[in-house]
Amino acid sequence: EVQLVESGGGLVQPGGSLKLSCVASGFTFRNYWMHWVRQAPGKGLVWVSRLKSDGTSTYYADSVKGRFTISRDNARNTLYLQMNSLRAEDTAVYYCARGGSSNGYFGLDSWGQGTLVTVSS
Amino acid sequence: EIVLTQSPGTLSLSPGERATLSCRASQSVSSDLAWYQQKPGQAPRLLIYGASSRATGIPDRFSGSGSGTDFTLTISRLEPEDFAVYYCHQSGSSPLTFGQGTKLEIK
Repeated sequence: EVQLVESGGGLVQPGGSLKLSCVASGFTFRNYWMHWVRQAPGKGLVWVSRLKSDGTSTYYADSVKGRFTISRDNARNTLYLQMNSLRAEDTAVYYCARGGSSNGYFGLDSWGQGTLVTVSS
Repeated sequence: EIVLTQSPGTLSLSPGERATLSCRASQSVSSDLAWYQQKPGQAPRLLIYGASSRATGIPDRFSGSGSGTDFTLTISRLEPEDFAVYYCHQSGSSPLTFGQGTKLEIK
């Protein structure tokens, strides 16, 4: 069974930093692109970032570019999101999700339960 | 950035009825369009990918159609568990984007 478990969320002051983790199990993590998607309280889904299976290519939403860094450790089956210069509008539940592999892209087919990040003074 | 516009914002129907949800892209995404269902307090669940392919375990009352800029999610006969929020999502162009969602509520 595919499982994704996020952690690292919490309360942080504006301008602060936080690092999220997502531990994967039940599949060959190193073969898949991975994504971060967020959802502000009561709002819709917003795509944040994605990372190629081997870690060589990264993509970001304009709203987080230059502030957030996505990375992975394939030996530890773990995806990360380093968030710097946090703003109130970054407050959201952050989900990690599994993307495509060398076999193709078939949607974001597995999601974690999410971790809440609150940016407030 | 490709903007996805979903309509209607809210759809009120009864169990057993047919639901038709629309997603329009600001430019072509070919068939790189997926649909997700989200219930309160839960993570999203993939329903449809590639505009018309059902994800694993998704009942056949869910179907997707369209290509280019206009897409439709159809639920042929609504079950009580289908009342939720539905999002479309394009992966044809970076940055990836989601629509704003359609809330399907019980009439």
